[in-house]
Amino acid sequence: AQRVTQPEKLLSVFKGAPVELKCNYSYSGSPELFWYVQYSRQRLQLLLRHISRESIKGFTADLNKGETSFHLKKPFAQEEDSAMYYCALMDTNAGKSTFGDGTTLTVKP
Amino acid sequence: DTEVTQTPKHLVMGMTNKKSLKCEQHMGHRAMYWYKQKAKKPPELMFVYSYEKLSINESVPSRFSPECPNSSLLNLHLHALQPEDSALYLCASSQDFRRGNSPLHFGNGTRLTVT
Repeated sequence: AQRVTQPEKLLSVFKGAPVELKCNYSYSGSPELFWYVQYSRQRLQLLLRHISRESIKGFTADLNKGETSFHLKKPFAQEEDSAMYYCALMDTNAGKSTFGDGTTLTVKP
Repeated sequence: DTEVTQTPKHLVMGMTNKKSLKCEQHMGHRAMYWYKQKAKKPPELMFVYSYEKLSINESVPSRFSPECPNSSLLNLHLHALQPEDSALYLCASSQDFRRGNSPLHFGNGTRLTVT
């Protein structure tokens, strides 16, 4: 069975501070991991995928298979980063994606 | 067109009604999905279609009936729903997930209220 855990329901930081949103997963195969973001009144959208090792809007996420983690990081948070963030794992054999419970990030001025 | 379009945006139906939710994408994606999302909860997978064939049904009650008429369209037929079925229903699409690196593209959802 696949499982995704985001331990923080709410996270609040000040503008300019570093931010880390935690994600741990449980999966027997080789996982594909994603971060999705939902800004206020917008649709759920892709932020990052582990396979691309990219930086989007200053965010990065590294897959650590030893710790089964895929934490999302940004060195200097901005107010426009305030949103709901979901970590998700896809089983590529079946197309089944499992989402964590989400973390609501608030960046204060 | 890089969007997934869902109609209607809002739907109110009685427990004896029959209605349908519609979803459309023109990105050439061959996988389409229905998710259900309750307030302050993550999306929960209901159905997966791959190349227009149903590949996953997550033990969804038969009062929900999916249909994929072609590679661009996905419907969800609703009949005899219960008030606890009230939720946001999200459609998503992706490239062939078996090839990997296939993130989900979500629609804005249909807000369903069952009275």
